[in-house]
Amino acid sequence: GESVGLHLPTLSVQEGDNSIINCAYSNSASDYFIWYKQESGKGPQFIIDIRSNMDKRQGQRVTVLLNKTVKHLSLQIAATQPGDSAVYFCAESGSARQLTFGSGTQLTVLP
Amino acid sequence: KAGVTQTPRYLIKTRGQQVTLSCSPISGHRSVSWYQQTPGQGLQFLFEYFSETQRNKGNFPGRFSGRQFSNSRSEMNVSTLELGDSALYLCASSGTGTGVEAFFGQGTRLTVV
Repeated sequence: GESVGLHLPTLSVQEGDNSIINCAYSNSASDYFIWYKQESGKGPQFIIDIRSNMDKRQGQRVTVLLNKTVKHLSLQIAATQPGDSAVYFCAESGSARQLTFGSGTQLTVLP
Repeated sequence: KAGVTQTPRYLIKTRGQQVTLSCSPISGHRSVSWYQQTPGQGLQFLFEYFSETQRNKGNFPGRFSGRQFSNSRSEMNVSTLELGDSALYLCASSGTGTGVEAFFGQGTRLTVV
């Protein structure tokens, strides 16, 4: 039969605005949470990670927030640029040393 | 510093054939993981190798196998290819061996016809 693709959530933002990408996770035993960016035709690129004992971590133009109470992770991108257009994945890592990925969000930056 | 290198980039195979994909990790990284990416299932973990030993395996049939060499280079093999095996196969290397800060290659696009 015909395969059905994942329905990727989409987010469109104006260039220069801030972007917030959300992710819900399921495994409360995960030690790390990671955000990846994947551009068309490329492999996922590491952006930032956060340990489970933290609730906020900042990088260059990016901030990750972790809310363990509701099992929610978010990635904030400041001053979004056209080069930020990509699919963003959250991933969780636990004792199994494997990454479990979310379904991804397609970010489009409008000129 | 060279990144993760996967070869070949593209591959077309016929149902029933087998295929071997190669991954060279970042120099000094001893952990190599493989993932399958499809539009229907997203990114799914296949297996992870560390110092030539498979430490973890995902929920894939036995047709999917891998190995790691003493120089940390890894190969994965898929036997008796099925149409559903068409996917982007991604390799990731990690220096920590914890799955964190995994750096991905560009992948091998496998098409089974």
